[in-house]
Amino acid sequence: EVQLVESGGGVVQPGGSLRLSCAASGFSFRHFTMHWVRQAPGKGLEWVSLITWDAATTYYGDSVKGRFTISRDNSKNSLYLQMNSLTTEDTALYYCAKDLYGNGFNSWGQGTLVTVSS
Amino acid sequence: DIQLTQSPSFLSASIGDRVTVTCRASQGISSYLAWYQQKPGKAPKLLIYAASTLQSGVPSRFSGSGSGTEFTLTISSLQPEDFATYYCQQLNSYPLTFGPGTKVDIK
Repeated sequence: EVQLVESGGGVVQPGGSLRLSCAASGFSFRHFTMHWVRQAPGKGLEWVSLITWDAATTYYGDSVKGRFTISRDNSKNSLYLQMNSLTTEDTALYYCAKDLYGNGFNSWGQGTLVTVSS
Repeated sequence: DIQLTQSPSFLSASIGDRVTVTCRASQGISSYLAWYQQKPGKAPKLLIYAASTLQSGVPSRFSGSGSGTEFTLTISSLQPEDFATYYCQQLNSYPLTFGPGTKVDIK
């Protein structure tokens, strides 16, 4: 069974940094593109970032480009999101998700909550 | 960036109703569209990909159609467990984008 477990969320002040992690199990992590998606409280889904299986290619949403960095460690079956220069607009539940060969996201974690507040 | 709109934003329906949700893209995306269901407090669940392909394990009452800029998600006979919010997503180009969602509620 595919499992994705996010961690690292918490309360951070504006301008601060946070690193999220996603531990993957139940599938061959090193073979799959992975994503981060976020959802602000009471709002819709916003795609954040993608990293290919070999980490050779990354993409970012416009609102996080230049501030967030996605990475992975295939030896640890782990996905990461380094978030810098956080603003209140970054407050959201952050999900990691497994890619279905470019056709959508067929497995999701339960999310980790990031709150940016002074 | 490709913008997605969904209509309606909210719909009230009864058990057994046929329900249709529309998703429109600001430019052509071929068939690179997925549909998700999200229930309160839960992660989204993939229902349909490539506009019309049913994800494994998803009931056959769900179907998708369309290509280019207009797409539909249809639930042929609404069941109690289908009351949720539905999102479309385009995978044609980066940044990937989601529609704003359609909440399906009980009449």
